[in-house]
Amino acid sequence: AQRVTQPEKLLSVFKGAPVELKCNYSYSGSPELFWYVQYSRQRLQLLLRHISRESIKGFTADLNKGETSFHLKKPFAQEEDSAMYYCALRAPLITYKYIFGTGTRLKVLA
Amino acid sequence: NAGVTQTPKFQVLKTGQSMTLQCAQDMNHNSMYWYRQDPGMGLRLIYYSASEGTTDKGEVPNGYNVSRLNKREFSLRLESAAPSQTSVYFCASSVGSGANVLTFGAGSRLTVL
Repeated sequence: AQRVTQPEKLLSVFKGAPVELKCNYSYSGSPELFWYVQYSRQRLQLLLRHISRESIKGFTADLNKGETSFHLKKPFAQEEDSAMYYCALRAPLITYKYIFGTGTRLKVLA
Repeated sequence: NAGVTQTPKFQVLKTGQSMTLQCAQDMNHNSMYWYRQDPGMGLRLIYYSASEGTTDKGEVPNGYNVSRLNKREFSLRLESAAPSQTSVYFCASSVGSGANVLTFGAGSRLTVL
């Protein structure tokens, strides 16, 4: 079965410190992986997806198939990064379902 | 361009009452989804519709029914509400093929007393 695990419910870091939000997945094939973000009083929105290999707002995420991980990283956290972050997986060619992790709340302290 | 629109935004029900959450998208997306968001449990898929005319169960379908009325609209019905269904409900849509992105509605906060 497909599963997404985000082990940290809350992550607090100081402004300017590096950030890593962990995401591990369970899926035997080649999944599509995404990070979604929900800022206070805003809708859930896509932050980035592994297929694009892009950096958005300074965040990057690399798919590690050996470790089945898709951790989200940023070298220098900013206060406006404070939000709820969700990792999500879809098994292409099999299902249109997107499975989300339980989310990590990131708090960036001044 | 409204994207995904959900109604109502807030609703309070008594145990045993029924209600329908409405969702409409204007992006010509094929696939639509209903999720519930609970503290500590993240987003859990209730039902989804890969394309017009089809619906499938997600992770937590018990107590819910859905209707894909047409390509634009996907409604979620609670036939007999229970306190365990107190949650924030999100509708989402996607193109339906390829590595595509979910577009979410603003959410509907439901409280069952």
